[in-house]
Amino acid sequence: SQQGEEDPQALSIQEGENATMNCSYKTSINNLQWYRQNSGRGLVHLILIRSNEREKHSGRLRVTLDTSKKSSSLLITASRAADTASYFCATWSAKAAGNKLTFGGGTRVLVKP
Amino acid sequence: EPEVTQTPSHQVTQMGQEVILRCVPISNHLYFYWYRQILGQKVEFLVSFYNNEISEKSEIFDDQFSVERPDGSNFTLKIRSTKLEDSAMYFCASSKTGGPGANVLTFGAGSRLTVL
Repeated sequence: SQQGEEDPQALSIQEGENATMNCSYKTSINNLQWYRQNSGRGLVHLILIRSNEREKHSGRLRVTLDTSKKSSSLLITASRAADTASYFCATWSAKAAGNKLTFGGGTRVLVKP
Repeated sequence: EPEVTQTPSHQVTQMGQEVILRCVPISNHLYFYWYRQILGQKVEFLVSFYNNEISEKSEIFDDQFSVERPDGSNFTLKIRSTKLEDSAMYFCASSKTGGPGANVLTFGAGSRLTVL
């Protein structure tokens, strides 16, 4: 499988509930990023967590990173209908001279009002 | 808020035709990227570009594809002879710095390419 795979592939929740999605990756990383994509639109950066960090918060977002398991999770608390989007984790290639941010397959989140 | 702009937003072309997709990255960014997303699928890396040369490319980015920074503001992706399977959303992105540091990409809204 490829660097950065999210699960679940799709998630449907009620407004006010929390949404949790996970990302696994294969190679060592400097940092891991999460992006959001509204339907048919470009990706928007949400949050970056460095390899020496275990948890990071930004507003209603909470990201964790476990480098020993090569996994990360994104939690959206108190979800709103406007959080409906696809969420992608992304990592940089480990290649020394590389310049490639690789995205996972994404989790489609539907928040029902 | 500075943004990456892409044109056209949608292009329909016949198979075998050449297509040029245009992007204006954020003005003080030095690294530029093209990604594509086939409908409902993952976002795939095509190429990264720095200092007027390709710094990395994927296996998708074959001889049919080329990139260019023809002036100080535009960054273009050319597909020489389009195939049906090139139908996708193409995203341009830019970043201030490159490599696996704390670099965040800013994406444009995308150009939808439909090949008939």
